Amino acid sequence: DAGVIQSPRHEVTEMGQEVTLRCKPISGHNSLFWYRQTMMRGLELLIYFNNNVPIDDSGMPEDRFSAKMPNASFSTLKIQPSEPRDSAVYFCASSLDRGGQPQHFGDGTRLSIL
Amino acid sequence: AQSVAQPEDQVNVAEGNPLTVKCTYSVSGNPYLFWYVQYPNRGLQFLLKYITGDNLVKGSYGFEAEFNKSQTSFHLKKPSALVSDSALYFCAVREPSGNTGKLIFGQGTTLQVKP
Repeated sequence: DAGVIQSPRHEVTEMGQEVTLRCKPISGHNSLFWYRQTMMRGLELLIYFNNNVPIDDSGMPEDRFSAKMPNASFSTLKIQPSEPRDSAVYFCASSLDRGGQPQHFGDGTRLSIL
Repeated sequence: AQSVAQPEDQVNVAEGNPLTVKCTYSVSGNPYLFWYVQYPNRGLQFLLKYITGDNLVKGSYGFEAEFNKSQTSFHLKKPSALVSDSALYFCAVREPSGNTGKLIFGQGTTLQVKP
């Protein structure tokens, strides 16, 4: 079975540029989560969706960050404009919200803002 | 508010020895508890979970965890460590109702298994 698919795996761009990260959740999963991981702050939940609807975006650092889920098989996380402090590994995870099912993580996008 | 604590940043153990990675939690009601492992340049991988039932839960790669309600702990264990078990381990908790699968993660514990 295909797991959670994230693209790109690596992104290097200059400060001020727009960055778009993409995620394809596991088919049939109805919850989707975006995380950010850094050495300093560890693993942080940015936003999560249930049935394509944003439920909690309190972890989104500021207005430069936005996330969408136009359908059950695709989500994007956008940073505009990007800043060097946004450099991190961004993970997408999905789960089936039933009976304590675990989240399944993609392998992440390593983002470097120069 | 629910929270998870992993009191050790790093655990060192010799190959073949038993290992324990500690986790304590704070949550209202009966928790759903999870352990994940992260290898370099990879996402978190699910190891095991406790929802209800037997306090000793068995998971992938020979790992197990013991749920202790009185001590609010969910320590990860393995009888005999392998060098390949060296990785970053996360404990997580979810309240059983009222949300849609959101997990609260601990800060992670690096396990180093030496030959």
